[in-house]
Amino acid sequence: DAKTTQPNSMESNEEEPVHLPCNHSTISGTDYIHWYRQLPSQGPEYVIHGLTSNVNNRMASLAIAEDRKSSTLILHRATLRDAAVYYCIPAGNNNDMRFGAGTRLTVKP
Amino acid sequence: EPEVTQTPSHQVTQMGQEVILRCVPISNHLYFYWYRQILGQKVEFLVSFYNNEISEKSEIFDDQFSVERPDGSNFTLKIRSTKLEDSAMYFCASREQVYNEQFFGPGTRLTVL
Repeated sequence: DAKTTQPNSMESNEEEPVHLPCNHSTISGTDYIHWYRQLPSQGPEYVIHGLTSNVNNRMASLAIAEDRKSSTLILHRATLRDAAVYYCIPAGNNNDMRFGAGTRLTVKP
Repeated sequence: EPEVTQTPSHQVTQMGQEVILRCVPISNHLYFYWYRQILGQKVEFLVSFYNNEISEKSEIFDDQFSVERPDGSNFTLKIRSTKLEDSAMYFCASREQVYNEQFFGPGTRLTVL
């Protein structure tokens, strides 16, 4: 399994963009980069995933470095509801999610 | 919107007892998973299940654990003889196809006394 490195915690102000980085230098060529988040007292929730190209969906954008050794999850306008632990997970064909410690995002009003 | 459901939301049991945690995955999903999260720790993969058999399991998933899809809708996790260290939140997840996202249930909190 590819190792990931994420900041333990980050803070953001409400309505401002947030860039959550992840290093995954040992990612294999066929691994997708998945991002999940876990709101307090809830199960993990899918955010976005991609392979090589940048991806956008209604929740977030994912910017993937050209060498795929790092990626950044972008929340364009953080809301209080976005306060959660965010996990970056490289995952292969079997798609078993191996969660790390993630980044705890605090959003200040 | 379809969702994964889990019952019960909280289960309290005595050490050494058997427990069965139940999950109803999303109906057209083909891949099923169990994860656990000990309080204050990270989410840990336990087992994946596809085509009525285990696809992969972690080192945590020892002989005390088993999974079953007894009918077309339920997916269960059985712990044969619970230990204190089995106390955790247990999450079920399902996905439709390879590379699709996993949908997680709300979890069952298992407390072993």
